[in-house]
Amino acid sequence: GAVVSQHPSWVICKSGTSVKIECRSLDFQATTMFWYRQFPKQSLMLMATSNEGSKATYEQGVEKDKFLINHASLTLSTLTVTSAHPEDSSFYICSASSQPHRRRGKAQTNEKLFFGSGTQLSVL
Amino acid sequence: GENVEQHPSTLSVQEGDSAVIKCTYSDSASNYFPWYKQELGKRPQLIIDIRSNVGEKKDQRIAVTLNKTAKHFSLHITETQPEDSAVYFCAASIWETSYDKVIFGPGTSLSVIP
Repeated sequence: GAVVSQHPSWVICKSGTSVKIECRSLDFQATTMFWYRQFPKQSLMLMATSNEGSKATYEQGVEKDKFLINHASLTLSTLTVTSAHPEDSSFYICSASSQPHRRRGKAQTNEKLFFGSGTQLSVL
Repeated sequence: GENVEQHPSTLSVQEGDSAVIKCTYSDSASNYFPWYKQELGKRPQLIIDIRSNVGEKKDQRIAVTLNKTAKHFSLHITETQPEDSAVYFCAASIWETSYDKVIFGPGTSLSVIP
């Protein structure tokens, strides 16, 4: 399958600092990238969806000023956790989709998501 | 929005037995249902998926069934092995203007006892 690279794998930072996480699609163009957060023993919760060249769409309850997302190219999306606090400690994971734009009802294309390896963030 | 429920939350089976995980979804517009296996600290791995125009799909020891009318779908693992122990997530994909958004169920922790 396609390869998605995510860095860093883990980061420890002091409370109040900002942390940037990168997600790169290495062998395909990702029209859409998704950012998920996963607390221990819980599910993957979708935080936001980013489309190249446009503003990210945030899920309800996710602060857009807290979690800045930039999708500047078809191969790179970044998530910046601003002014991180201990409650932001979590496993953050991106996924990328290469499906072309289609309208509802059209023949389905490959809808598989390709996940990055995740970033374990620990805020002290 | 889409809501995916999953049961049971934990499941223990003896090696060689079958394991069944069931999910329901709320949005009838969902049309793609992947299942993921996740080991601790690792990325989710797609193990099988099914589209809404298919009722059943099988891949060796793994099978998935879909009942669109009831909005139910299930994962069946036969002849379980210890290496099947992991957390399994069902998911449902719904079209959002220009992309498919995938919503995950809460997960099932499967333990296969040797």
